[in-house]
Amino acid sequence: RKEVEQDPGPFNVPEGATVAFNCTYSNSASQSFFWYRQDCRKEPKLLMSVYSSGNEDGRFTAQLNRASQYISLLIRDSKLSDSATYLCVVNRVNDMRFGAGTRLTVKP
Amino acid sequence: GAVVSQHPSWVICKSGTSVKIECRSLDFQATTMFWYRQFPKQSLMLMATSNEGSKATYEQGVEKDKFLINHASLTLSTLTVTSAHPEDSSFYICSASRQGIDYGYTFGSGTRLTVV
Repeated sequence: RKEVEQDPGPFNVPEGATVAFNCTYSNSASQSFFWYRQDCRKEPKLLMSVYSSGNEDGRFTAQLNRASQYISLLIRDSKLSDSATYLCVVNRVNDMRFGAGTRLTVKP
Repeated sequence: GAVVSQHPSWVICKSGTSVKIECRSLDFQATTMFWYRQFPKQSLMLMATSNEGSKATYEQGVEKDKFLINHASLTLSTLTVTSAHPEDSSFYICSASRQGIDYGYTFGSGTRLTVV
C-alpha cells in the first residue's frame, strides 16, 4: 500500500464547478500536511497547508481528519487557470511524501 | 523569501557521461535538502535526503554510487548522475526547508535530463 494515496482522477469540470479531491495517508506519525499544485513540466508550488481545524484561502478549502488519516481539498467556482495536477503531501520530520497527484482540467 | 535555485534547467548528454545538478537556497540556510525524480505522468519520488556535512540518506532502490550527492555547505547541494543511461532520463528536482519553520518545502525549478 502506498504511503499517500489520492483520487486517481482525472477530473474534467466546467468553469464555475465545485470539485473535491481526497487523500489518505498510512503513517499516523505524520505531522504536517499540504496541498501542492504542479503545472505541466514545472516544479510543485505550495497551494496551502492543511490544519486540523480546517482552513480556507479564497476559493480553496482544505481539511484534515487525523483520526481517519484523511485530507481533502475543495475548489469552488473553478477557473480555467485551476487546471493543474494537485499533489497531496504528508510530512514527518525531514521526510516529505507525495501522493501520485490528481489531474484537474477546467473547461470553458 | 525561501527561494531555491536549481541549475541547469535542462541538459542533454550522451550515454556514459556524468551530469551534475546544483541546488542552492538563496535566502536561507538549508541543513537538509531533498532530491526527487519524476517520470512522465508519475508523481515525485524521493531519491535521497541530503544533510549538510554528512552523507546523504538514500531511499530503497536508489543506487548511491550512481547518484552522488554532496551537501558541502548550508546553501548548496549537488546531485551527480554518473555514467548516465537513457533510462536515467527524467525530471530531477530538489527541495529545501528553512530550519525549524514548517511552512512546507520550496522546490527548485527542476532539471530535465535527457540521455541519448
